[in-house]
Amino acid sequence: DAKTTQPNSMESNEEEPVHLPCNHSTISGTDYIHWYRQLPSQGPEYVIHGLTSNVNNRMASLAIAEDRKSSTLILHRATLRDAAVYYCILRTYPLIYNQGGKLIFGQGTELSVKP
Amino acid sequence: EAGVAQSPRYKIIEKRQSVAFWCNPISGHATLYWYQQILGQGPKLLIQFQNNGVVDDSQLPKDRFSAERLKGVDSTLKIQPAKLEDSAVYLCASSSRGGNTEAFFGQGTRLTVV
Repeated sequence: DAKTTQPNSMESNEEEPVHLPCNHSTISGTDYIHWYRQLPSQGPEYVIHGLTSNVNNRMASLAIAEDRKSSTLILHRATLRDAAVYYCILRTYPLIYNQGGKLIFGQGTELSVKP
Repeated sequence: EAGVAQSPRYKIIEKRQSVAFWCNPISGHATLYWYQQILGQGPKLLIQFQNNGVVDDSQLPKDRFSAERLKGVDSTLKIQPAKLEDSAVYLCASSSRGGNTEAFFGQGTRLTVV
């Protein structure tokens, strides 16, 4: 299973942008880059995913390096509710279409947001 | 859209007892995952189902853990007998077919083995 590397923890100030990095040097051509976050005492929730191009949604933006060996999750204006553990995951597009890809979590980055 | 339902939310048992967790995925989701999350760690995949077939159970301790997904909908995860180190949150997730889709997680079941 392809591996990702993230910093253990990061700090941000409220209302400021946050850039969460992820390295995935062994990524393969069929791997999608997924980000999930886990708030305290809750199950993980989906944030965003992409393959090659940068992606935006209402929660965040995902910037993917041209060689796809790294990516950055961008929270444009951090709020106190964004304090969570953020997981960067490579989800393989399965060779057999009707199988959901594996979803293997690492340790993630614990983001704290200061008022 | 209803989310992934799990029950119970909390369970306390003594070591060597058995316990079962139940998961009802989002309607129409063919892929179902069970994870174990020990405090301070990321979720660890125990087993992945596609419909009612097992795709990956390489991390499932098969001497004490078992899981089934009858009729490709609801799923149960059982531990028999439980050990102290099984204390964790057990998470269920589901997704529709393909790797280019998001997975939805339940709230989890917090198991304490004493």
